[in-house]
Amino acid sequence: SQKIEQNSEALNIQEGKTATLTCNYTNYSPAYLQWYRQDPGRGPVFLLLIRENEKEKRKERLKVTFDTTLKQSLFHITASQPADSATYLCALDMMDSSYKLIFGSGTRLLVRP
Amino acid sequence: DAGVIQSPRHEVTEMGQEVTLRCKPISGHDYLFWYRQTMMRGLELLIYFNNNVPIDDSGMPEDRFSAKMPNASFSTLKIQPSEPRDSAVYFCASSWVGGPEETQYFGPGTRLLVL
Repeated sequence: SQKIEQNSEALNIQEGKTATLTCNYTNYSPAYLQWYRQDPGRGPVFLLLIRENEKEKRKERLKVTFDTTLKQSLFHITASQPADSATYLCALDMMDSSYKLIFGSGTRLLVRP
Repeated sequence: DAGVIQSPRHEVTEMGQEVTLRCKPISGHDYLFWYRQTMMRGLELLIYFNNNVPIDDSGMPEDRFSAKMPNASFSTLKIQPSEPRDSAVYFCASSWVGGPEETQYFGPGTRLLVL
């Protein structure tokens, strides 16, 4: 079965630096991969989706890459701000023509002022 | 739109009691998902519906859990009888497959504590 690995340790960076979060998967390459942000006490919020035929996608200060050879997606936040502090989850489709997603356990990002 | 609405936001109950969680999806969305989130297991899909019909309930832990969607604007997740290990945050999410991306919109969650 598909397994998703995200760094369980918090990422602690200085404001203004680029944060890079990793999502690795172990089995099949998904048709698409999504990144969500979750703040304490709230539900996840969708940020970006990247498809298997896309290498990179950008949205404002966010950039996602997708390497099906490495079975890895990287999520970058440039010019990070304390307001970016949250937990970031990656999610993969189930490749069974359903609309189910498998979520990683998330990586907590702390941006110091 | 108000987004996905869940109630109650917090629920504290005693072991053995029945618990009912409620969800109102975003109007026009045709998929509804129920998730459970714990520190140990992360975010797990319990069941999902398409056009009010349950499609996959393979994530439902056991027979104590049941879910219904009587119409397009309302769904319930019921636990009977509840056990301490059911303590978690339960999220409802909805999506619109006809949209530009297959994203899911989550509600604020119900934090359940079973004593």
